[in-house]
Amino acid sequence: GESVGLHLPTLSVQEGDNSIINCAYSNSASDYFIWYKQESGKGPQFIIDIRSNMDKRQGQRVTVLLNKTVKHLSLQIAATQPGDSAVYFCAENIRNYGQNFVFGPGTRLSVLP
Amino acid sequence: DAGVTQSPTHLIKTRGQHVTLRCSPISGHKSVSWYQQVLGQGPQFIFQYYEKEERGRGNFPDRFSARQFPNYSSELNVNALLLGDSALYLCASSQWTSGSYEQYFGPGTRLTVT
Repeated sequence: GESVGLHLPTLSVQEGDNSIINCAYSNSASDYFIWYKQESGKGPQFIIDIRSNMDKRQGQRVTVLLNKTVKHLSLQIAATQPGDSAVYFCAENIRNYGQNFVFGPGTRLSVLP
Repeated sequence: DAGVTQSPTHLIKTRGQHVTLRCSPISGHKSVSWYQQVLGQGPQFIFQYYEKEERGRGNFPDRFSARQFPNYSSELNVNALLLGDSALYLCASSQWTSGSYEQYFGPGTRLTVT
């Protein structure tokens, strides 16, 4: 079936460096994507979203890039901080009305002091 | 303003029993979705309800059912529990706002089936 996957299951970065988390999706009909951050013992937290008619969107210290040609999504975190340590998921919207989001397996980001 | 609340926080059941999990959405949100998150994996979609009607169902057996009440709170029921049902069950409330799908998750209910 259709699925969303991630290239790297774990990522370690030095505090202050930039982080890049990648995600591959397989459904070319998907038109909406969200990045979530999940800290231990908590539910996923919305970070940033992007629609398929865009290729880049920026938030506060985060940027999401969408490459529809190769079905690739990335999350860039600038000046990574210890509080950014968490598991990051990309989620793909397969239907038009946002009912069903398919999540990838997640990437664990560890920020080293 | 309170976020999404779920109860109970933790639950231990034995195989064959049934369980009811509860969720209260953010005030003003009319849509509630349920997800199952097995340890080490991403959440998997189970159900979505909007205005008390089922709007989406994931690939889960009929042992899983849900409903939404007039105040938009929701219950997830699981019958004939199996060991494999052990997971974190997440509830999310959502609404479309200015082109973005605001989906906020609760802290989850950790279900352990022994």
